Amino acid sequence: ENVLTQSPGTLSLSPGERATLSCRASQSVSSSYLAWYQQKPGQAPRLLIYGTSSRATGIPDRFSGSGSGTDFTLTISGLEPEDFAVYYCQQYGSSSFTFGPGTKVDIK
Amino acid sequence: QVQLVESGGGLVKPGGSLRLSCAASGFTFSDYYMSWIRQAPGKGLEWVAYISNSGSTIFYPDSVRGRFTISRDNAKNSLYLQMDSLRVEDTAVYYCARRTGGNRAFDYWGQGTLVTVSS
Repeated sequence: ENVLTQSPGTLSLSPGERATLSCRASQSVSSSYLAWYQQKPGQAPRLLIYGTSSRATGIPDRFSGSGSGTDFTLTISGLEPEDFAVYYCQQYGSSSFTFGPGTKVDIK
Repeated sequence: QVQLVESGGGLVKPGGSLRLSCAASGFTFSDYYMSWIRQAPGKGLEWVAYISNSGSTIFYPDSVRGRFTISRDNAKNSLYLQMDSLRVEDTAVYYCARRTGGNRAFDYWGQGTLVTVSS
């Protein structure tokens, strides 16, 4: 199983600041198969980024993804009030999907 | 618009069974691979089953293989999850989700249905 580790566990920032979230895999991940999701309390996850760097439909351009191999990054260029949430990375490989444990972005 | 609506959750005793359903609308269901993904209370996301658009390809993680069965009825635009030999640790909100075309991500999710396994 390809285990995903996310850091930090919690990121405390102010609106307008830049957020950098890390996702590290125990085995190499195809860049086509790395995604990021946002989840708010009581809601289902929402797809933000797929294929490492492609934004899903309706996702603002302040969200960007990058990386390759085992190290991937989600960047939020300037936090809006609605961006405070939990973020998960997810990979596919060897007929299996795994999610990272999540990074909570909260208001400082 | 794309809609996925889960149903069938509830309280069940350890060792019991439950069948979840997911009604899909707003897209050509038979064109898409689908999955079930769960989230234990206060915890992260865990993938539990995956089925191809025709139903011919199915994957499970080790944690549920042999106990859970995913299926679909394309004529009824519906996805199912039969859960047997339930354990306390299967307690979670269960989401059905649509897989994207080529990138193995999940672009639409239902609102989830809560399964509680407790004596």
